[in-house]
Amino acid sequence: DIQMTQSPSSLSASVGDRVTITCQASQDISNSLNWYQQKPGKAPQLLIYDASNLETGVPSRFSGSGSGTDFTFTISSLQPEDIATYYCQQCDNLPYTFGQGTKVEI
Amino acid sequence: EVQLSESGGGLVQPGGSLRLSCAASGFTFSSYALSWVRQAPGKGLEWVSGITGSGSTYYADSVKGRFTISRDNSRNTLYVQMNSLRAEDTAVYFCAKGSIAVGGIFVSWGQGTLVTVSS
Repeated sequence: DIQMTQSPSSLSASVGDRVTITCQASQDISNSLNWYQQKPGKAPQLLIYDASNLETGVPSRFSGSGSGTDFTFTISSLQPEDIATYYCQQCDNLPYTFGQGTKVEI
Repeated sequence: EVQLSESGGGLVQPGGSLRLSCAASGFTFSSYALSWVRQAPGKGLEWVSGITGSGSTYYADSVKGRFTISRDNSRNTLYVQMNSLRAEDTAVYFCAKGSIAVGGIFVSWGQGTLVTVSS
């Protein structure tokens, strides 16, 4: 199975800050990497697919980059409504696997 | 608008069985791969099982041989039959719809249904 290692596991930032989360795959997954946002008590929501493509309707302050084994997710200017846990997920090989999550707090 | 609605969760004893359902609407059901993803209390996300539009099935090792995923394209409903349940199967179970191109890009999710395995 492909292991996905996310860091940090949690972070605290201020409104307007730039926030960066990294995700490392245990083997080359090309660009088959997605990012989800999950708010407490809610289902996850797809934000970024194929490493860098913004899902329809998602604010442009969210972005993703990377390929191969190393990926980055960025919130360019943190907003109060961005408080959530963020997960990376690889869809290159079954079983699909998720990172352990990054909890973003203000 | 895509809608996914899970049902069938509840409290079950270890070794017991449960069948979850996911009713879908707002898209051509038979054309899309679907998955079950679970989340244990306070933990992260774990992909459990998936099924293509044509019915090919896939499982995580943790549930292989115990869970069976299926779909009824005439009823627009996804199922998972869970047998020999263990305490570690306790989780919220989400159904998730894949993108048209890649089944593993989960573009839509249901609200989840809680399964508790306990005596």
